[in-house]
Amino acid sequence: EDKVVQSPLSLVVHEGDTVTLNCSYEVTNFRSLLWYKQEKKAPTFLFMLTSSGIEKKSGRLSSILDKKELFSILNITATQTGDSAIYLCAGHNYNQGGKLIFGQGTELSVKP
Amino acid sequence: DVKVTQSSRYLVKRTGEKVFLECVQDMDHENMFWYRQDPGLGLRLIYFSYDVKMKEKGDIPEGYSVSREKKERFSLILESASTNQTSMYLCASSTTGPVQETQYFGPGTRLLVL
Repeated sequence: EDKVVQSPLSLVVHEGDTVTLNCSYEVTNFRSLLWYKQEKKAPTFLFMLTSSGIEKKSGRLSSILDKKELFSILNITATQTGDSAIYLCAGHNYNQGGKLIFGQGTELSVKP
Repeated sequence: DVKVTQSSRYLVKRTGEKVFLECVQDMDHENMFWYRQDPGLGLRLIYFSYDVKMKEKGDIPEGYSVSREKKERFSLILESASTNQTSMYLCASSTTGPVQETQYFGPGTRLLVL
């Protein structure tokens, strides 16, 4: 059975800290891994990763995939209170159309 | 921009009531999905649809049904609401083709069943 596991489940940091969120996966016919950010509304798409070792970057957020060790990390540098959210990781099984397998989410709280 | 809308942000229902949650997307997407989100459990797939009048069970379909009469609209039905269906319900859509896994989400409906 396909599975995605995120850690930690929750995290409290102070503004300016750097955080690393982890996502491990066991997905047959793996095609891609996706990260979403969810504030108190719709999850919004951050990154889609398909190749190992290639960092994707957007401002202070970056992510990388390791297809050998079956994990991905999401880094946030110089955190701000606006980064407080649930971060969702999802794996895609190529043989299952558009379905995604989601992890439990990491709830990040950034204190001033 | 892709827009996915859901009929209600908050809903309070009584046990045994029939509940309809509606989702509409404006990007002509073929795929639509219903999830529920509970603390510590992440997003769990209830039902999905790849085309009009098509539906497939997800991981937790029990107690739910769906309807897709038009491409842009996907409805989730709770035939007889129970307290364990109190949850956040999220709808999503995606296109087919090379980026079919990139799903776009609606704002969610927080359902409380008393």
